[in-house]
Amino acid sequence: NAGVTQTPKFQVLKTGQSMTLQCAQDMNHEYMSWYRQDPGMGLRLIHYSVGAGITDQGEVPNGYNVSRSTTEDFPLRLLSAAPSQTSVYFCASSYSRPGLAGRYEQYFGPGTRLTVT
Amino acid sequence: EDQVTQSPEALRLQEGESSSLNCSYTVSGLRGLFWYRQDPGKGPEFLFTLYSAGEEKEKERLKATLTKKESFLHITAPKPEDSATYLCAVRPGGSQGNLIFGKGTKLSVKP
Repeated sequence: NAGVTQTPKFQVLKTGQSMTLQCAQDMNHEYMSWYRQDPGMGLRLIHYSVGAGITDQGEVPNGYNVSRSTTEDFPLRLLSAAPSQTSVYFCASSYSRPGLAGRYEQYFGPGTRLTVT
Repeated sequence: EDQVTQSPEALRLQEGESSSLNCSYTVSGLRGLFWYRQDPGKGPEFLFTLYSAGEEKEKERLKATLTKKESFLHITAPKPEDSATYLCAVRPGGSQGNLIFGKGTKLSVKP
């Protein structure tokens, strides 16, 4: 299994540009999420999904859109990039169905380092 | 409000010098406490899940314990390769999977 994969690893955008961060997992996990990690702030949840066709907002959703058309993929879209969105972005996945003996640990991808100038 | 606080922010140890990292939490209906290790430039790597007070789990030189208000990550005879940032996270009751993370403890082990 490749686990959770993210592309690209690095990206530089200019203010106002749009882009999509890709995330895929091959573990058949129902739950997927996006976090951003900033110095001194810890990991903060942006959006999450509990299955194909279902998404919801996390703690810091403004400026980001998501969709989940398949179990495997969960892309994150920046509609109009701003310098405040300079950060490292992590995608994670886990089981969420009850009856799995609590196997809810989330597995993280390697991250995308985004700089907005 | 659900909250996770980790201490200390940074810890410097000599090789072989055992110590503990603390994770205190306030959460409505804990459905799991998770420890992760994060190396520079990489994603968090899962270490342990604890679900109920009194539970303990071990992996090599690491041992995680859980009480009703806090968790400890004990590091016995650490080696330089244990240097990393250790993250603690909780899954609140009613959560569909969302985790609340602490800010982490940066551990440095000198030879």
